[in-house]
Amino acid sequence: GESVGLHLPTLSVQEGDNSIINCAYSNSASDYFIWYKQESGKGPQFIIDIRSNMDKRQGQRVTVLLNKTVKHLSLQIAATQPGDSAVYFCAEKSGANNLFFGTGTRLTVIP
Amino acid sequence: DTAVSQTPKYLVTQMGNDKSIKCEQNLGHDTMYWYKQDSKKFLKIMFSYNNKELIINETVPNRFSPKSPDKAHLNLHINSLELGDSAVYFCASLIEGGTQYFGPGTRLLVL
Repeated sequence: GESVGLHLPTLSVQEGDNSIINCAYSNSASDYFIWYKQESGKGPQFIIDIRSNMDKRQGQRVTVLLNKTVKHLSLQIAATQPGDSAVYFCAEKSGANNLFFGTGTRLTVIP
Repeated sequence: DTAVSQTPKYLVTQMGNDKSIKCEQNLGHDTMYWYKQDSKKFLKIMFSYNNKELIINETVPNRFSPKSPDKAHLNLHINSLELGDSAVYFCASLIEGGTQYFGPGTRLLVL
């Protein structure tokens, strides 16, 4: 099956700074990508998505960048807040509606 | 209203027992999923159901069996529980476009 990997398993940032979480995917046929946030004791929560015909998408304080050439996905969080502390997953979809998740990055925001 | 709900939230049981985890979604979606999340936070898909038909079944032991009495429910039954089954199990529902909406999870501990 596909593999989705993350460059860093943990990331610590100062409150107010910007955070960048990276993800590498392996299936060049993947056409849809999602970032999820998982807080302690909760299920993954949708943050933002992007389709393969786009290279950038912005939400509220979050931006996803897609580089299909190198099969790389990143999540940028502006002005990181303590409430952003969580594990972040990227997921890719190819073909049928099956999502394959990366290993996750734990983001810790230092007050 | 909770879109995807799971019961129980916590489940502690002895090896060899048979247990079920229930999932309900009130979103009217056609496809539901079960995921297993291990202690390292890795999320792996186990099953998906579309209109009561099993679509995918990854390399999951046949001790695990999904049961869908209707479109709103996808329950997970586990026979002869083993220590390695200890994990967090998430139910998810497919939103049009490819995004999946996750439930809060069931934390299973096998002693």
